[in-house]
Amino acid sequence: EVQLVASGGGLVQPGRSLRLSCAASGFTFDDYPMHWVRQSPGKGLEWVSGISWNSRSVGYADFAEGRFTISRDNAKNSLYLQMDSLRADDTALYYCAKGGPWGSGSYYRDAIDHWGQGILVTVSS
Amino acid sequence: DIQVTQSPSSVSASIGDRVAITCRASQGFSNYLAWYQQKPGKVPRLLIYDASTVQSGVPSRFSGSQSGTDFTLTISSLQREDAAIYYCQKYDSAPLTFGGGTKVEIK
Repeated sequence: EVQLVASGGGLVQPGRSLRLSCAASGFTFDDYPMHWVRQSPGKGLEWVSGISWNSRSVGYADFAEGRFTISRDNAKNSLYLQMDSLRADDTALYYCAKGGPWGSGSYYRDAIDHWGQGILVTVSS
Repeated sequence: DIQVTQSPSSVSASIGDRVAITCRASQGFSNYLAWYQQKPGKVPRLLIYDASTVQSGVPSRFSGSQSGTDFTLTISSLQREDAAIYYCQKYDSAPLTFGGGTKVEIK
């Protein structure tokens, strides 16, 4: 069974940094692309960032470009999101998500087939 | 960036009705579009990928189609357990944009 368990969330002041982690199990982690997707309270889904199986290809939403950095450690079956210069509108539930098996392993051209439970990030003074 | 516009934002239908939800792209991007279902308090669930391929385990009443830059999710016979918010997502290239969502309610 695929399990994606995120950690590292919490309350942080505007302008500060936070690093999210996601521990993956139940599948061969280094075979699949991974993503972060967020959802503000009562709002829709918003793709944040994706990374290919081998970390050679990464992509970001416009709001994340230059502030957020996605990375992975295949030896530790872990995905990360470093978030800098946080703003109040970054407040959301952040989901760690796994890309499907149908593409080439890049973060694009493959839908998301499994989602973790999410971790709450609150940016407030 | 390619924009994806989802409609309607909400729909109310009776058990057994046919329901259609559409996502329109601002320009073409092949068939790299998925549909997800999200029930209250739950994580999203993949229903359809590559515009029309039904994910394993998804009931056969769900189907997806494409006509040019218009993508449609159809529920052929609405069931009570289908009450949820449905999202499309394009994934041809970054940003992998989601549509705004469609809330499906049961009359």
